[in-house]
Amino acid sequence: GENVEQHPSTLSVQEGDSAVIKCTYSDSASNYFPWYKQELGKRPQLIIDIRSNVGEKKDQRIAVTLNKTAKHFSLHITETQPEDSAVYFCAAIIHNAGNMLTFGGGTRLMVKP
Amino acid sequence: DAGITQSPRHKVTETGTPVTLRCHQTENHRYMYWYRQDPGHGLRLIHYSYGVKDTDKGEVSDGYSVSRSKTEDFLLTLESATSSQTSVYFCAISEARGGYNEQFFGPGTRLTVL
Repeated sequence: GENVEQHPSTLSVQEGDSAVIKCTYSDSASNYFPWYKQELGKRPQLIIDIRSNVGEKKDQRIAVTLNKTAKHFSLHITETQPEDSAVYFCAAIIHNAGNMLTFGGGTRLMVKP
Repeated sequence: DAGITQSPRHKVTETGTPVTLRCHQTENHRYMYWYRQDPGHGLRLIHYSYGVKDTDKGEVSDGYSVSRSKTEDFLLTLESATSSQTSVYFCAISEARGGYNEQFFGPGTRLTVL
């Protein structure tokens, strides 16, 4: 089955700096890669996703990049703010094969004011 | 919140007792999922359903069963709870957007097995 590795497990940045979280996946058939943000005690919330026919996608201060050849994808957050502090999860899915997500282990991002 | 609710939101039970968690959705989604979340393991799929009475196993299905007799309800049952099943359980639905199925989560159930 699919295996998703996520790094780093914790990341501390100063407010205003950029943060990058990286994930690798094992199954070349995976074709959809969502990112979730989970605040303490809350549910995971979908913040951005990328499909395998796209190399990069941006939404305001967040962007995702995908390298299908290398089987890795990354989340970039620019101009970090204290409210960006949360745990971020990457995931991979083989679309139309049960739609089952495989999650990375998560990254705890701490933005220091 | 994609119209997903979970009940109960918190439960404490004893080893060996049966426990049933309920996921309810109001928007007629075909796919529903149960995940557990544990420190150091992220989110892991337990079971999922692709329609009424249609279910399949996920990565960590041992000790769990599910049922879906109505589109709106997906039940997760621990037949005989063990301490290793202490966890936060999330239900999710899959909604087709732009040709892909995006997953949205319910608020979670915190289960403690003593």
